[in-house]
Amino acid sequence: GQNIDQPTEMTATEGAIVQINCTYQTSGFNGLFWYQQHAGEAPTFLSYNVLDGLEEKGRFSSFLSRSKGYSYLLLKELQMKDSASYLCAVKDSNYQLIWGAGTKLIIKP
Amino acid sequence: IAGITQAPTSQILAAGRRMTLRCTQDMRHNAMYWYRQDLGLGLRLIHYSNTAGTTGKGEVPDGYSVSRANTDDFPLTLASAVPSQTSVYFCASSDSKEVNEQFFGPGTRLTVL
Repeated sequence: GQNIDQPTEMTATEGAIVQINCTYQTSGFNGLFWYQQHAGEAPTFLSYNVLDGLEEKGRFSSFLSRSKGYSYLLLKELQMKDSASYLCAVKDSNYQLIWGAGTKLIIKP
Repeated sequence: IAGITQAPTSQILAAGRRMTLRCTQDMRHNAMYWYRQDLGLGLRLIHYSNTAGTTGKGEVPDGYSVSRANTDDFPLTLASAVPSQTSVYFCASSDSKEVNEQFFGPGTRLTVL
């Protein structure tokens, strides 16, 4: 079966750095995505990795290791507005997105 | 319209009733998707359409049907609603199934009693 695992909840302090991990087992691989979802709102796209390595975009970076079935999202200089759920998703061999349950990130002052 | 719209925003429905959730996009995207999101679970694909005139079944299609008569609209119909269909429903679109980013509508919160 297909499976995406990520921690249910994490807590971090404003101004700090947090790393959210994601491991996956899917039938085929056509890219890994991270989305942000604030409570009561729709998911919005953050990042995309298809090759191994680190992709940096401002305060957010995403890393992929295809051989290990592993990715992480790194958030730097945390702000209160970063409190949200972070969704990991993998595009499988049929180009359909398989989603993790999401990691709820709580930022404390 | 800018992006994707969904209607209604929320709905309470009696079990056994028929219900259509509407989704419209103005980005001329070829691919569209319907997901449901339940607490503790990831988004689950119900149905999708790679281009106007075609549809396909996702992970959890039972009890739902879709149509794609044109590029912009992708309605989702519950023929006879059951309480297990209580969920938040998101419509999404992308330029094609291969292109990276999916854009999401604001969601419809459906409660079936």
